[in-house]
Amino acid sequence: GENVEQHPSTLSVQEGDSAVIKCTYSDSASNYFPWYKQELGKRPQLIIDIRSNVGEKKDQRIAVTLNKTAKHFSLHITETQPEDSAVYFCAASTGGFKTIFGAGTRLFVKA
Amino acid sequence: GAVVSQHPSWVICKSGTSVKIECRSLDFQATTMFWYRQFPKQSLMLMATSNEGSKATYEQGVEKDKFLINHASLTLSTLTVTSAHPEDSSFYICSAREGGQGQFFGPGTRLTVL
Repeated sequence: GENVEQHPSTLSVQEGDSAVIKCTYSDSASNYFPWYKQELGKRPQLIIDIRSNVGEKKDQRIAVTLNKTAKHFSLHITETQPEDSAVYFCAASTGGFKTIFGAGTRLFVKA
Repeated sequence: GAVVSQHPSWVICKSGTSVKIECRSLDFQATTMFWYRQFPKQSLMLMATSNEGSKATYEQGVEKDKFLINHASLTLSTLTVTSAHPEDSSFYICSAREGGQGQFFGPGTRLTVL
């Protein structure tokens, strides 16, 4: 069945450094790739998304890249801040009803 | 922006009782809502897809008689955990789609079954 793998499971960076989270998906029909940030005890929040007709998208300090051939997509956070500490989930959707989530990456930004 | 509410936010119940959780889209109509379960430090596990006016589609391994879903209107879906047991204790989150493919999540309901 469909699967989304996410790495690393835990990431610790120094404030100001960059953080990169990588995901791969199995369903070649996937055409929409959102990223969610979830703080402890709170709801997941959509932070950025990318569609399959685009290779890269940027929004201030965060950017996503997509390699359709390799079925890889990545989240890049630059100039990390302590408030970026959270769990980040990647996901893949085929445009139907189902969205498959990765296992999550726990990001720690040390001040 | 799209806002999804969920009620209650936290519930404690005795084993054997039923618990109803409501999910509402406050400023948009959602023909499709999703129910997820999340265990501590784990990802979101899709339980079922709820479509307004029709029966919910359950994921493999999710008992439809245990987790009753009703999508009565374009802004309300309910999840009822019937005859709850301690193993049903979890964080239940709903989400709704606003036209496109993006989902907006409710704040979640923490269920503790004693």
